[in-house]
Amino acid sequence: DGGITQSPKYLFRKEGQNVTLSCEQNLNHDAMYWYRQDPGQGLRLIYYSQIVNDFQKGDIAEGYSVSREKKESFPLTVTSAQKNPTAFYLCATPDRDNYEKLFFGSGTQLSVL
Amino acid sequence: RKEVEQDPGPFNVPEGATVAFNCTYSNSASQSFFWYRQDCRKEPKLLMSVYSSGNEDGRFTAQLNRASQYISLLIRDSKLSDSATYLCVVKAGAEYGNKLVFGAGTILRVKS
Repeated sequence: DGGITQSPKYLFRKEGQNVTLSCEQNLNHDAMYWYRQDPGQGLRLIYYSQIVNDFQKGDIAEGYSVSREKKESFPLTVTSAQKNPTAFYLCATPDRDNYEKLFFGSGTQLSVL
Repeated sequence: RKEVEQDPGPFNVPEGATVAFNCTYSNSASQSFFWYRQDCRKEPKLLMSVYSSGNEDGRFTAQLNRASQYISLLIRDSKLSDSATYLCVVKAGAEYGNKLVFGAGTILRVKS
């Protein structure tokens, strides 16, 4: 059963701590994206990767880092430099035949302790 | 001005009602348009694309007005299961990196 999986579902961060959100897909897709969703705002692009070993900053990359060492994995690290990390984080991959259609993981809610 | 604007609602309607949402976009070079549905604290899922001639999928009808730069979603015979947040998504052209821009969403609550 192909899909995109995020973990954990809920994550808590202490002051000054880095935390990593996992995103795995078994769809054999090249492109993967990370979005952040805040109440009352649209999804905002943090980072994206079009191919393994390559990634680009999105609109709000400050305070975040990513890696793309394997095609199926695109982890997002929320660093201590991100001063307002509380949000719902969504990983996505576009349909192979239609890049405009996104498949999302189930999301990770990050909160600050 | 936001690139994509939606009335946040909530729209509270009885079962069986017809409800319509509008979404305006600021970039006249936008090329593709979509409606996504998002249940509370779940991931968004594509509901339908919006074509220039308008399109229908069962109880859902989407319209595009390029001159006025808005798209609409009409839901007929509302069901309780239609309760969700509806996200308007606009794709800019290649000169803008083919970027997808998401609206903040419109909340629909269908009540029995």
